Amino acid sequence: EVQLVESGGGLVQPGESLRLSCVASGFTFSTSWMSWVRQAPGRGLEWVANIKEDASEKYYVDSVKGRFTVSRDNAKNSLYLQMNSLRAEDTAVYFCARGVDPWGQGTLVTVSS
Amino acid sequence: EIVMTQSPATLSVSPGERATLSCRASQSVSSSYLVWYQQKPGQARRLLIYGASSRATGIPDRFSGSGSGTDFTLTISSLQSEDFAVYYCLQYNHWPFTFGQGTKLEIK
Repeated sequence: EVQLVESGGGLVQPGESLRLSCVASGFTFSTSWMSWVRQAPGRGLEWVANIKEDASEKYYVDSVKGRFTVSRDNAKNSLYLQMNSLRAEDTAVYFCARGVDPWGQGTLVTVSS
Repeated sequence: EIVMTQSPATLSVSPGERATLSCRASQSVSSSYLVWYQQKPGQARRLLIYGASSRATGIPDRFSGSGSGTDFTLTISSLQSEDFAVYYCLQYNHWPFTFGQGTKLEIK
């Protein structure tokens, strides 16, 4: 069974940083492109970032470009999202996903002073 | 960026009736890269349809998808109580991948 477990969310102040992690199991992580998706409270879904299997290509939505960095460690079956210069509008539940499915249960990031 | 527009925002249907949900793209999307999800409060997002018309594993055949180019449709042929939820379409043909804003299917 495919499992994706996110962690690292929490409450931070604007301008601070946070690193999210996602541990994968039940599939061959090293041959899967991976994603981060977020959903702000009461709002729609936004695809945040993608990373290819070997991390040779990474893609970011404009709203996070230059502030967020996606990375992976295939030896640890782990995906990461380094989030810097956080803003109130980054407040959301962040999900990791294997391609477009399945997704993890998510981790809540709250940016507030 | 491709804008995905779902309609209606809310659809009220009685159990046993048919529901038709629309997803329109601002530019052409390959059918291979169009999926539909079901979202219920407190539950994991469920993939219903991939490739615009193929049912995901374990999805009942009352769910069907169709369409091409810029117009896609999710049809639920005979609504069951467990089908009342929010439905999202997603295109992943062009970066950034984009979702529709969702259609809430509620009991009439």
